Amino acid sequence: NAGVMQNPRHLVRRRGQEARLRCSPMKGHSHVYWYRQLPEEGLKFMVYLQKENIIDESGMPKERFSAEFPKEGPSILRIQQVVRGDSAAYFCASSPDGGGQPQHFGDGTRLSIL
Amino acid sequence: GESVGLHLPTLSVQEGDNSIINCAYSNSASDYFIWYKQESGKGPQFIIDIRSNMDKRQGQRVTVLLNKTVKHLSLQIAATQPGDSAVYFCAENSGGNEKLTFGTGTRLTIIP
Repeated sequence: NAGVMQNPRHLVRRRGQEARLRCSPMKGHSHVYWYRQLPEEGLKFMVYLQKENIIDESGMPKERFSAEFPKEGPSILRIQQVVRGDSAAYFCASSPDGGGQPQHFGDGTRLSIL
Repeated sequence: GESVGLHLPTLSVQEGDNSIINCAYSNSASDYFIWYKQESGKGPQFIIDIRSNMDKRQGQRVTVLLNKTVKHLSLQIAATQPGDSAVYFCAENSGGNEKLTFGTGTRLTIIP
């Protein structure tokens, strides 16, 4: 009865490289959400996806960031040409459906940019 | 814009006492509220939720109170234990909007 699985747990990249963060939702969950957290702050919404569809990307930066949730496989958050300001913890959550259901979180990927 | 804020950033409580963590929200359209607990190095863990048609909900050792008149939410933890030490976040969303808006968190420290 696995929860939300994220990998890698820690990721180090140099400026200009690409970062790929993966998220496998809980079994039976078809809604995935990505959030970003800076130290000592709350989580900030980035994007909400269902299988093969981006539903709400209002929290995603317009450039360099993209997300997908393919029919098969995990959801991917991709950051191209990373900069120091991208250093943060990125959390994925899932829910069985929308409409005011609790979102269950993974333990995050801590991204460090050198 | 929407915001969810907390009255106190830190709270220290004697072991065995009750803890009360407060949260204010500004979006009148908010209709679903969740409390999360986050331990160091981990993701937020669901504690309890409440919908806007309720003003109180109880779980195991926890109670959430919702006052829509003043847009205030509180989490009460009974007989706090060392394992309750963590950062607690309130979060909300409004009907038709799936994203959660989080507060900045309250760090709860249990004094042995």
